[in-house]
Parts: sequence; C-alpha cells; structure tokens
Amino acid sequence: GENVEQHPSTLSVQEGDSAVIKCTYSDSASNYFPWYKQELGKGPQLIIDIRSNVGEKKDQRIAVTLNKTAKHFSLHITETQPEDSAVYFCAAISRDDKIIFGKGTRLHILP
Amino acid sequence: DTGVSQNPRHKITKRGQNVTFRCDPISEHNRLYWYRQTLGQGPEFLTYFQNEAQLEKSRLLSDRFSAERPKGSFSTLEIQRTEQGDSAMYLCASSRQGGPQNQPQHFGDGTRLSIL
Repeated sequence: GENVEQHPSTLSVQEGDSAVIKCTYSDSASNYFPWYKQELGKGPQLIIDIRSNVGEKKDQRIAVTLNKTAKHFSLHITETQPEDSAVYFCAAISRDDKIIFGKGTRLHILP
Repeated sequence: DTGVSQNPRHKITKRGQNVTFRCDPISEHNRLYWYRQTLGQGPEFLTYFQNEAQLEKSRLLSDRFSAERPKGSFSTLEIQRTEQGDSAMYLCASSRQGGPQNQPQHFGDGTRLSIL
C-alpha cells in the first residue's frame, strides 16, 4: 500500500524567512497530494493540494511542488509569520481512496 | 457552515471502562469518517459511513471498537474494555459523496482519550 515519508520532524525558522517541508510517496499510481495544517488542540485543515498533472501550485505565501518521477513533493512557505507555527502534514491518496498522512513537521516561527 | 463538532473534547477513564464519543458532521455531508491520531503521528483511517451505512473498517478497528450512524446524521464511536494503547486523539471528518481528491474532508477538533 501507499507509504508517505515526511521530513524534517521539527523545523525552526526566523520570522520572515522561508520554510520547506519535503515528502516522498511510494505508490506511483497516486495522483493527488493534499497538505494539512494542524494547530494545537485543533483538527487538521486542508491548506493546499496538488494533482499529478501539474508540477507546481501557489496560493499567496504557500506553494507546493511535485516531482512524479522521483515521487517527491514539497511545501514552501515564504515570508513566515508567527501564525504559521503549527504541525504540517503531507498526504497522498491510496488506490482505495484513503488519505495516507506523513508523520508531520512541527514548524516553529522564531521572533 | 458550523463545521464538524465532536464531544467530549477530552475523556479520561480507567483501563477496562467503556467510552463513547460523538461526532456531528456538516449537515449536508453524507460521508463521515473516523480517524485515530497518536502522539507524533498523522491521523490513521478507522472507518467511514455513507449515510447510515458503514462501508469500510480498517484493520486498526479491533472488536472492542464499534461505530454507528443510525440516522445518517451524527455518529458515535464506542470503545469497550479500554486499554492503555487506546490513548489517542480520535478525529471525525465529513465530506460530500466522493473520494478525497474530489470532495475534501472537513475535520473536527477531536476527542482526546487518556487511559489511566
């Protein structure tokens, strides 16, 4: 079945700098990759997604890239702000339509 | 859109007791999902309903777990004879009919279960 690996597990960046989180997936048949943000005491919220027919997608300060050949995808956050502090999960959709989550990256934005 | 609501937010119980959690989905969503999230991990699928029918159960859902959605609206998840390993956050999500690539799942804020 699908397996998603995510790194780093923890990331600290200065406010205003960029943050990058990287993921790999195992099943070449996967074609949809959502990203979630989970704040303390809250459930995951979908923040951006990418489909396999595009290589990059941007939404204001966040962007995702996908390399299907290498089975890599990444989340980029630019001009980080304190409210970006949270746990971020990458995910892939398995052949049986299940969301397979990575283990998460705890992002700290330092003042 | 009032969002997905879960109750209680926290539950502390002794090992061996039974617990029940409730999830109220977004009203027009006919799919409802249960996930379990342990510390330092992403959510893992447990089961899902389409209307009142439970269509799939994960191997993670042991015989001590049962979920219901009797009228196709709210759902309950019951754990019988709780064990230490059941300590986790239990998340509920709902969506319109369709896979996650077409119909995004909206998550509630979870019920955190602690087994003493």
